[in-house]
Amino acid sequence: RKEVEQDPGPFNVPEGATVAFNCTYSNSASQSFFWYRQDCRKEPKLLMSVYSSGNEDGRFTAQLNRASQYISLLIRDSKLSDSATYLCVVNRRGSYIPTFGRGTSLIVHP
Amino acid sequence: DGGITQSPKYLFRKEGQNVTLSCEQNLNHDAMYWYRQDPGQGLRLIYYSQIVNDFQKGDIAEGYSVSREKKESFPLTVTSAQKNPTAFYLCASSMGVGISNQPQHFGDGTRLSIL
Repeated sequence: RKEVEQDPGPFNVPEGATVAFNCTYSNSASQSFFWYRQDCRKEPKLLMSVYSSGNEDGRFTAQLNRASQYISLLIRDSKLSDSATYLCVVNRRGSYIPTFGRGTSLIVHP
Repeated sequence: DGGITQSPKYLFRKEGQNVTLSCEQNLNHDAMYWYRQDPGQGLRLIYYSQIVNDFQKGDIAEGYSVSREKKESFPLTVTSAQKNPTAFYLCASSMGVGISNQPQHFGDGTRLSIL
């Protein structure tokens, strides 16, 4: 089993839709979690950190479920500009070497 | 503005040639990393460094070399031993040792192709 797994998609949704991605991790010592966004042929950019209590930033909500070892990203009212690949990143306790998922592709169409 | 600068943006390598990719950061981060990304694939770690004059191999270090003579700089050399160097190379940094809850920040990448 890979340490961090994501459904590669693509998720193809209309503008205005709500879409959710999950990311599962296998190492129970994982401590910190992040979602990055990567546009085609560009570098990954930090979208949001994922806290135990969950966190929200505008249309984006991230949740952590330690018992089931997954994190989620919910995007409400999707925009065309949300089309990108979303990378899940996990850091193990005491390590500064993150583990990246392979990403989930989102396509928002008119 | 603080950030990570990679250069050049595009690079072409001839057969048997070594090429060096530059990465400079002014974020005062201790840790720096090099990744390779192939089309449609995830990031693979080449080398990383947690402190000046120290670096470790990542998952795919063969055919690559690095140096860390200054905190701000972490250049990557793609040697002639790397037979399939065509890829998107990303440099990243983070606060580093003992601070595992800090995210990485990325440069905007170098695209390397074989002539």
